[in-house]
Formats: sequence, structure tokens, C-alpha cells
Amino acid sequence: DSGVTQTPKHLITATGQRVTLRCSPRSGDLSVYWYQQSLDQGLQFLIQYYNGEERAKGNILERFSAQQFPDLHSELNLSSLELGDSALYFCASSVEISSPPPHNEQFFGPGTRLTVL
Amino acid sequence: DAKTTQPPSMDCAEGRAANLPCNHSTISGNEYVYWYRQIHSQGPQYIIHGLKNNETNEMASLIITEDRKSSTLILPHATLRDTAVYYCIVRGDTGRRALTFGSGTRLQVQP
Repeated sequence: DSGVTQTPKHLITATGQRVTLRCSPRSGDLSVYWYQQSLDQGLQFLIQYYNGEERAKGNILERFSAQQFPDLHSELNLSSLELGDSALYFCASSVEISSPPPHNEQFFGPGTRLTVL
Repeated sequence: DAKTTQPPSMDCAEGRAANLPCNHSTISGNEYVYWYRQIHSQGPQYIIHGLKNNETNEMASLIITEDRKSSTLILPHATLRDTAVYYCIVRGDTGRRALTFGSGTRLQVQP
């Protein structure tokens, strides 16, 4: 158990719909990352938040958005869903220790499996 | 971050050492080598990391060549639960950016 929780575990929805995925980081971790894993694309970084602020964007579509709340949990919103959005969505968190060595292990949640029909 | 090359798949007999290679010929002096693994659709799990010295922890050992252009992850006594995809990742930041996953090596531990 990594200490990162994600809900729901499974989500089945139809094209054109909107869903929200939720992530609770490990206690004390300020940084949250979202990754998408599809069969043909592998694990890809979507977006990162640090202490409530967006820090970095990866291959995130405009139809997708995220936020991190004051209690540090994060939500990933996926809208106008397409068949190709079917994938595993992982959330990861890290504490971001600033002192050397520059090691910030990322702890991954169990993922949410999204199926778009 | 430097690019990495790993074999797509490997087999290992249970109880034997599993040696997973990774090439990172363009690695620069301040970049670290990280290893993560993903067991069948679970979230990836950190294994070990190193800069230039060999490293060992309770999960594995990491051997980095003197020129740092390649490394080997060693699982000393592989078990069936070690069957997973293993990712070698090179990172030059302070660990505050996302991980860039390649295709990894699918390790199958055989009984």
C-alpha cells in the first residue's frame, strides 16, 4: 500500500460524458502528478500540482483539467469523452525534499480504470 | 533527460538472479538513474536509484558502469511476484518533475 488513494477504481461511461477522478496523496506530500496509461501510448504524464498550484503540464488534452484543493487532494476532470480516452489513470505524490540528494520518490496510487463505450 | 534503451522482455527462473540491463549512453554528469516497476496494471513502484556508485537496498542492487553509459538492475533471488515491467529512467532534475516512462522490460519469472 503506497498511501495514495484513488477513487473510483473502475468507471464505465459513454462517449460525450464527463467524469471526475479523485486522488488523495500520502500524508504530508505536497506534489501530485497525474499519468495516463493506455495500451498504445504507455505511461504518459498529464499534469502536476504542487501545494495547490499547477506546476507542469504534459500531454494533457484541452478537454481534460485538474485541480488540487487546500487539503491537497486532487481531481482530474475529463470531459467530452471519446473512445480513445479509455485508459488507466494513475495519481502519484511526492514530498519534495529539498536537501540533497535530489531524490523525490513518487508513490503511485492503484489507478482508476476508465472505460468509454 | 537522457534517453534509455531496454530489452523488451526477459525470462528468469525462480530463485535465480535477474539482471536487467539499461543503456543510457547520453547521460550527463548530474543525471541519476532510477528504476521503477509495474506489476500487472498496478501503480508503478520505486525500486532504487543511483548516480555513479553501486547501490543496494532491500529490493535490489544497481550496478552503474564507470562511464555511466549503462546500468544493470539485479534482483538477487527472483520470485514469481517479481514478474513485472521494469522501467529504467534517467533524471537530471531535483526530482520535482514528472517521470518519463519508456517501454520498459517485461520480466517473466518462471517457476
